[in-house]
Amino acid sequence: NAGVTQTPKFRVLKTGQSMTLLCAQDMNHEYMYWYRQDPGMGLRLIHYSVGEGTTAKGEVPDGYNVSRLKKQNFLLGLESAAPSQTSVYFCASSWGGGELFFGEGSRLTVL
Amino acid sequence: RKEVEQDPGPFNVPEGATVAFNCTYSNSASQSFFWYRQDCRKEPKLLMSVYSSGNEDGRFTAQLNRASQYISLLIRDSKLSDSATYLCVDLNTGTASKLTFGTGTRLQVTL
Repeated sequence: NAGVTQTPKFRVLKTGQSMTLLCAQDMNHEYMYWYRQDPGMGLRLIHYSVGEGTTAKGEVPDGYNVSRLKKQNFLLGLESAAPSQTSVYFCASSWGGGELFFGEGSRLTVL
Repeated sequence: RKEVEQDPGPFNVPEGATVAFNCTYSNSASQSFFWYRQDCRKEPKLLMSVYSSGNEDGRFTAQLNRASQYISLLIRDSKLSDSATYLCVDLNTGTASKLTFGTGTRLQVTL
């Protein structure tokens, strides 16, 4: 039972490069989220989705785009990476209540 | 003011001690709260829900004080394995089940 799987787990980018983080869940959850976690800032919501084909902005959406073409997948894209996007990214899914199931995180460094 | 505020710690306590963390929230309309645990370089995981009547799970007790807008987590008989960061979480069901995380309180239990 994989739960929530994020790929890649580590990535180093140069400023201006683009990349996509993939999140996959096998629990048939409707809700999916992307958070970033930075020292002293806690977890901040980037974008979220309440179902297949829907996405919405969270607290810190600038510089990111998302898509949820399939219920089980939630993609986070960086079109032109900046050093300020160096962070640990967590994907999570849920039924809509207070229990989120997180992936193991993706560590992104932008040089 | 942040929606959810926590003392970052660290709280350094000896094994067997009792330790308590508080967390304040700013949204008086919030209905649901949770405590998550995050081990170093790992993903957060749900520890327990916080009910108005209080909630106890083994050595852990969570309480909600609506009048003063804070929630608490009490850990009795601390174990080395309790060393982690504890995240206070506010579930805002009025906005598509978005969870707002505090920055966390770090606990270090020592011999």
